[in-house]
Amino acid sequence: AQSVTQLGSHVSVSEGALVLLRCNYSSSVPPYLFWYVQYPNQGLQLLLKYTTGATLVKGINGFEAEFKKSETSFHLTKPSAHMSDAAEYFCAVRRTNFGNEKLTFGTGTRLTIIP
Amino acid sequence: DSGVTQTPKHLITATGQRVTLRCSPRSGDLSVYWYQQSLDQGLQFLIQYYNGEERAKGNILERFSAQQFPDLHSELNLSSLELGDSALYFCASSRPDGGGYTFGSGTRLTVV
Repeated sequence: AQSVTQLGSHVSVSEGALVLLRCNYSSSVPPYLFWYVQYPNQGLQLLLKYTTGATLVKGINGFEAEFKKSETSFHLTKPSAHMSDAAEYFCAVRRTNFGNEKLTFGTGTRLTIIP
Repeated sequence: DSGVTQTPKHLITATGQRVTLRCSPRSGDLSVYWYQQSLDQGLQFLIQYYNGEERAKGNILERFSAQQFPDLHSELNLSSLELGDSALYFCASSRPDGGGYTFGSGTRLTVV
């Protein structure tokens, strides 16, 4: 079975500072990994995903994440936070075998941006 | 607009009642997933359908059921509603290409 652990349910950073949201996964098979963002009263929007190939993945809104197999991590970063980044962020994992596309989500990290 | 349409957006109903939530997947997507999001449980996977067939089942109560129709839209039926069923219910769809899901904007269910 696969699972995801997001360290820190709440993270606050100053506007212009580095954003780092942590995600560690557990999977018995090579995983596909995802980050989603949820703004208030909205659905989840895909930020970026890792499937195969390059381990540094770039997403929308200036976010990126690096798949580190040795550390079983997929941390999300952004060099300079913007007020519009305030939202809840979810890391997710799924198996790669066809027929088992269920995504397992972490508990989420609420990001607050301090002006 | 993500391409996944959920109706209704809001639903208020009384305990013991039955409701149906509807989801139209993104064009070309064969899989539909239902998730429940609540403050205490987070995002919980309920059930997946692929091209009309049930593919995977998660933490779905026996009072809940779902189906996917030939036109690929899906319905989630919730019956004998309890206060604890109040939550956001999301539908998502995907293609079998290893990519992620596309989520709808959700249905907020309030049971009073």
